[in-house]
Amino acid sequence: EDKVVQSPLSLVVHEGDTVTLNCSYEVTNFRSLLWYKQEKKAPTFLFMLTSSGIEKKSGRLSSILDKKELSSILNITATQTGDSAIYLCAVENSGGSNYKLTFGKGTLLTVNP
Amino acid sequence: NAGVMQNPRHLVRRRGQEARLRCSPMKGHSHVYWYRQLPEEGLKFMVYLQKENIIDESGMPKERFSAEFPKEGPSILRIQQVVRGDSAAYFCASSPYRGPQPQHFGDGTRLSIL
Repeated sequence: EDKVVQSPLSLVVHEGDTVTLNCSYEVTNFRSLLWYKQEKKAPTFLFMLTSSGIEKKSGRLSSILDKKELSSILNITATQTGDSAIYLCAVENSGGSNYKLTFGKGTLLTVNP
Repeated sequence: NAGVMQNPRHLVRRRGQEARLRCSPMKGHSHVYWYRQLPEEGLKFMVYLQKENIIDESGMPKERFSAEFPKEGPSILRIQQVVRGDSAAYFCASSPYRGPQPQHFGDGTRLSIL
């Protein structure tokens, strides 16, 4: 069974801190790894990673995939209170005809002013 | 958010009633996925549909649950004879075609069973 483990489960930081969120996975037929940010409502898409070692950046957020270690990290620099959310990691399984996502339980990030 | 529309946002049912959850994918998206999020749990895959076809329903309970995505209209997730354990947030996601494309999520339907 496909498995995604995120750490830490929760994290409290002060504005301006840099955080690193971790995601490790076990999946047959790996296709991609995705990061989402979930506040009160829908998970919103952040990154999709398919190739190892290539960093993706969007403003203060960046992410990289390590296929050898079966893991990924999400970095957030100069955190702001608006970064407070649950960050979800998911892997896409392309086995057969489906592309379902297997999610981790998420990391709850709280950024205090 | 991403434009996937789900309704209702909140749904309250008594045990034994039926629940119908609707999802309209983003414009141009023909692939729909349903996920369930239980308290303290991650999102769990339930079913993957294309227009008029169920592609993968491996995550959906065999009894009481069904899903459809007709040629016209939204995708429907139907839960018959609901029980307390069905209380959860149900999210729908869509993508334009089969991978690798990110799935975009709706705001979810929060189902509460009295």
